[in-house]
Amino acid sequence: DGGITQSPKYLFRKEGQNVTLSCEQNLNHDAMYWYRQDPGQGLRLIYYSQIVNDFQKGDIAEGYSVSREKKESFPLTVTSAQKNPTAFYLCASGLFGLAGGYTGELFFGEGSRLTVL
Amino acid sequence: QKEVEQDPGPLSVPEGAIVSLNCTYSNSAFQYFMWYRQYSRKGPELLMYTYSSGNKEDGRFTAQVDKSSKYISLFIRDSQPSDSATYLCAMTANTGNQFYFGTGTSLTVIP
Repeated sequence: DGGITQSPKYLFRKEGQNVTLSCEQNLNHDAMYWYRQDPGQGLRLIYYSQIVNDFQKGDIAEGYSVSREKKESFPLTVTSAQKNPTAFYLCASGLFGLAGGYTGELFFGEGSRLTVL
Repeated sequence: QKEVEQDPGPLSVPEGAIVSLNCTYSNSAFQYFMWYRQYSRKGPELLMYTYSSGNKEDGRFTAQVDKSSKYISLFIRDSQPSDSATYLCAMTANTGNQFYFGTGTSLTVIP
C-alpha cells in the first residue's frame, strides 16, 4: 500500500542527546515536510523539501536538522540544541515539487512522539 | 491576526446529528483547502480536498468553500460515534511551500 511511514512511534531521549526520526514515503511525491504538534498550538512547520538535495527552514527550525538524499526519505534530527523537544512530530508529503505535478493535497504519516527525560 | 481561525470547541452532539465545522482565513491567495480528521495520538487523515470555490461531497461529508467571504465549512451528516475526533482545516496558495492550519475542533458524538 502507498503511504508515509514514520519510525519510531515512541522515543525517549535523555537531555543532551541527538535523536533521528525516520520518514519514508512510497507515493512518488516530490515534496516532504516535518511538522511539530503541541497541544493547543496547532501544526508548526520545521523544515520542508521540494526536491532532492534541497530543503528550506520553516517557522521553528532552530535545534533541528534534516537531509534529503533520496526522494523517498526525509529524516529529521532533533539536536541537543532544541530547548523543548518533547512533542508529537509529523511527517507529510505532497505533489508540490519544483518538477511540477501540483495537486494541492498533503498527506501525513502516523507521527512520532518524542519524550525527553 | 492569524492566517486561519478555527473554533477549538469542544463540540458535543448526539448520534445522527448534522455537524457543521468552520474556518475563516485572511489570505485571498489561498486556493487549495483541506479538512483532516485526527484521532488521539494518530496522524491527521485527509478527509476532503477542494480547489477554489464550491462544494464537494463524499458520502456523509460535504466541504464548502466561499472565497468571497474567506470561509470554509465541513458538514457531517448522520454523525456516528466513530466521527469523534479533532478536525483540522488547512489551506495553501499555489506554491506548496507553506500550508496554514487551523488549531482544530474537538468533536464528540454521543451514542
